[in-house]
Amino acid sequence: DIVMTQSPDSLAVSLGEGATINCKSSQSVLYSSNNKNYLAWYQQKPGQPPKLLIYWASTRESGVPDRFSGSGSGTDFTLTINNLQAEDVAVYYCQQYYTTPSTFGPGTKVGIK
Amino acid sequence: QVQLQQWGAGLLKPSETLSLTCAVYGGSFTSYYWSWLRQPPGKGLEWIGEITHSGSTNYNPSFKSRVTMSVDTSRNQFSLKLRSVTAADTAVYYCARAGCGGDCEAFDIWGQGTMVTVSS
Repeated sequence: DIVMTQSPDSLAVSLGEGATINCKSSQSVLYSSNNKNYLAWYQQKPGQPPKLLIYWASTRESGVPDRFSGSGSGTDFTLTINNLQAEDVAVYYCQQYYTTPSTFGPGTKVGIK
Repeated sequence: QVQLQQWGAGLLKPSETLSLTCAVYGGSFTSYYWSWLRQPPGKGLEWIGEITHSGSTNYNPSFKSRVTMSVDTSRNQFSLKLRSVTAADTAVYYCARAGCGGDCEAFDIWGQGTMVTVSS
């Protein structure tokens, strides 16, 4: 299985500031034939199912604010939240869907400083 | 707007079989992979497996010996059975759609979740 790791485990950011979450896969999730990274990001608030934010590493899901952006390739990826809002307090997960079984990172908790 | 609604028993004894069903409302049932995932309390997400409308399945090897997924196309429903449960199977179970197109298996639509507790 591909092991996904995330850093940091948690972070606290002032309202209006930026947050950066890192995700690393134990092997590349870049499929060379289509040059796509099989990597997604989710946001999960307490008591709710996860919400898809980003897929193909950098494609924003419809309706997701443009302050959320994804970048990276191969084994190293980043989720950036610009201009943090109170409603962005949540746990964020990365997921690889390059191979079966699909696997998730352990999550990064984002709070307000 | 596509919605997933799931249901099933929330309290099981060790060695019993977990059984959950997920209904798809408001969209195509034939064009997607349909998955089950779980999340133990305070922990991360784990993919259990997926099924298509034709009944083709892929299971996580971690569950393969205990899991069966099935589909009822007449009702746009799919189901999960997990045999011989233990306390380690205590989790919120989710159904979800892999819906970002082509071979993209990111999960864009989720059920509301069902808390399943295994306790004697």
